[in-house]
Amino acid sequence: AQKITQTQPGMFVQEKEAVTLDCTYDTSDQSYGLFWYKQPSSGEMIFLIYQGSYDEQNATEGRYSLNFQKARKSANLVISASQLGDSAMYFCAMREDYTGGFKTIFGAGTRLFVKA
Amino acid sequence: EAEVAQSPRYKITEKSQAVAFWCDPISGHATLYWYRQILGQGPELLVQFQDESVVDDSQLPKDRFSAERLKGVDSTLKIQPAELGDSAMYLCASSLADFNSYNEQFFGPGTRLTVL
Repeated sequence: AQKITQTQPGMFVQEKEAVTLDCTYDTSDQSYGLFWYKQPSSGEMIFLIYQGSYDEQNATEGRYSLNFQKARKSANLVISASQLGDSAMYFCAMREDYTGGFKTIFGAGTRLFVKA
Repeated sequence: EAEVAQSPRYKITEKSQAVAFWCDPISGHATLYWYRQILGQGPELLVQFQDESVVDDSQLPKDRFSAERLKGVDSTLKIQPAELGDSAMYLCASSLADFNSYNEQFFGPGTRLTVL
């Protein structure tokens, strides 16, 4: 079973509008972390935002916010006021406990296209 | 600004040849990760080091892949012999520690391997 599911292979958004990238996860752990990374065409992965499973408030970092719905096991990324430079792949990831430590598992990603 | 360094950025090789990738993590980062990212997928962890010790290599194809971090600083990932299915991006990442659900990993630019 997929641990991290990103159902949108590609998304289009008009410049200056907001966009939501979906992410659902599967875990039986009580303590886990959720991350979003951005991967431009150059290849490097850039950390965007983190949400802990015990955090009661949704995480925000500048134009990025994470819509965390624990009961539904979803952690959607919201990008406000999209910019052309936001065009990239976006990966949702989860860190969960396993025997011996924590492990990070990535979803398959969503490619975002920002239109001028 | 401190960065994770990787070399080479691109590598083209023929199947059955040996290839090696190098990674220099951010100074002071005890944890180092090697990921493989197949086109269209998210990164998958191959091996994780804590200082010079391997803490997770469960997804490393040990019949052909090897990794070392002899002095707990830089690391080398080797493939011998390379197969067509090894064509992928190989990403190195580092973090300060790996003891809880919050763990910001800093990624290098990756090595894109093409096996002909």
